[in-house]
Amino acid sequence: GAGVSQTPSNKVTEKGKYVELRCDPISGHTALYWYRQSLGQGPEFLIYFQGTGAADDSGLPNDRFFAVRPEGSVSTLKIQRTERGDSAVYLCASRRLADNEQFFGPGTRLTVL
Amino acid sequence: KNQVEQSPQSLIILEGKNCTLQCNYTVSPFSNLRWYKQDTGRGPVSLTIMTFSENTKSNGRYTATLDADTKQSSLHITASQLSDSASYICVVSAIILGEYGNKLVFGAGTILRVKS
Repeated sequence: GAGVSQTPSNKVTEKGKYVELRCDPISGHTALYWYRQSLGQGPEFLIYFQGTGAADDSGLPNDRFFAVRPEGSVSTLKIQRTERGDSAVYLCASRRLADNEQFFGPGTRLTVL
Repeated sequence: KNQVEQSPQSLIILEGKNCTLQCNYTVSPFSNLRWYKQDTGRGPVSLTIMTFSENTKSNGRYTATLDADTKQSSLHITASQLSDSASYICVVSAIILGEYGNKLVFGAGTILRVKS
């Protein structure tokens, strides 16, 4: 597609459940980022992939959060034992190498009840 | 600590009026500064990008300024339209030596509402 896509657009789950959020980056972009955005705040960095490997995962809040990008394109953010505080919009972005511009997806709104 | 502060937190203006949003940052070493527009329920979209040597950059009715000495930037919106209602986020890129790509530091955003 022309832009970054994310699925699902909305996810409602119960406390303690496991969720997976998917990101399809722009074709050819080797760098991929995950951010979390709480209401009224700017995006907060979670993890950055260069190709298949996580180059920087310093933003992951705890070991319940994990992300993979096995083939260097699609990425999945996985959250185990969800807590109400995990409720937020999870944004994915891929980066254009020529000018380091990041292009954002529409986000997945996660609600943990 | 790398930080980006934006003001005001929110703003309401009448259609057709101008407005200016402010951004102060303490990010170092500085690489570039971007202004993003984020519509409700959408991801941020880049409006302008400025490097250290650029003082001003325009994109249609949007004009961004940068003072790298005082570490301040502004986004001026001219002749506002209802469709300008959105959150405007200032994002500063820090050079991380030895890493492939820069680290983005986001402000909390200014929520702009344009009324008819």
